[in-house]
Amino acid sequence: DVKVTQSSRYLVKRTGEKVFLECVQDMDHENMFWYRQDPGLGLRLIYFSYDVKMKEKGDIPEGYSVSREKKERFSLILESASTNQTSMYLCASSPRPGLAAGEQYFGPGTRLTVT
Amino acid sequence: TQLLEQSPQFLSIQEGENLTVYCNSSSVFSSLQWYRQEPGEGPVLLVTVVTGGEVKKLKRLTFQFGDARKDSSLHITAAQPGDTGLYLCAGPRNYQLIWGAGTKLIIKP
Repeated sequence: DVKVTQSSRYLVKRTGEKVFLECVQDMDHENMFWYRQDPGLGLRLIYFSYDVKMKEKGDIPEGYSVSREKKERFSLILESASTNQTSMYLCASSPRPGLAAGEQYFGPGTRLTVT
Repeated sequence: TQLLEQSPQFLSIQEGENLTVYCNSSSVFSSLQWYRQEPGEGPVLLVTVVTGGEVKKLKRLTFQFGDARKDSSLHITAAQPGDTGLYLCAGPRNYQLIWGAGTKLIIKP
């Protein structure tokens, strides 16, 4: 069965803290994505990766960085968390090599609150 | 600017009623995907429509892709409480998926 797991379901952090969100997929997918989801705004792409050590900026990369050292793992880093980064963070993977527009498989999400 | 506009944003109906939700764009898409997201979970793909005018059925759910491939609709017959969730449409653009904001559907028993 297809599986994307995220390290935490709920996270509360203080302003200025460094935050790591981890995502692991067991489907040997090339593409991985990080989105944030806010009411009324849909899913907004932060970063994606189509191969190990490769990363591409999405629509809203400011304040975030990513790391993909292994094919199955894609990490999102908030270098200095701010209250406007309070959101639901969704990780996804896709089996279409080289392209990011195929069916995407999602993790359960991490609801991050920054106080 | 949302490339994919979904309507209505919110819909609450009684069990057994029929409903239709829409996904519209001024741009042509090579395909459109529909996902359902239940509370506390990530979206799950329901269907992909590829050909203009295509109709796909998934039990009580009927998906249609517009002839011009700019819009799509999802019709649910005899809605059940288990249909409750956020319905999202998404289309490929520049090696990414562009997402609509979703229709939040609540089916009351």
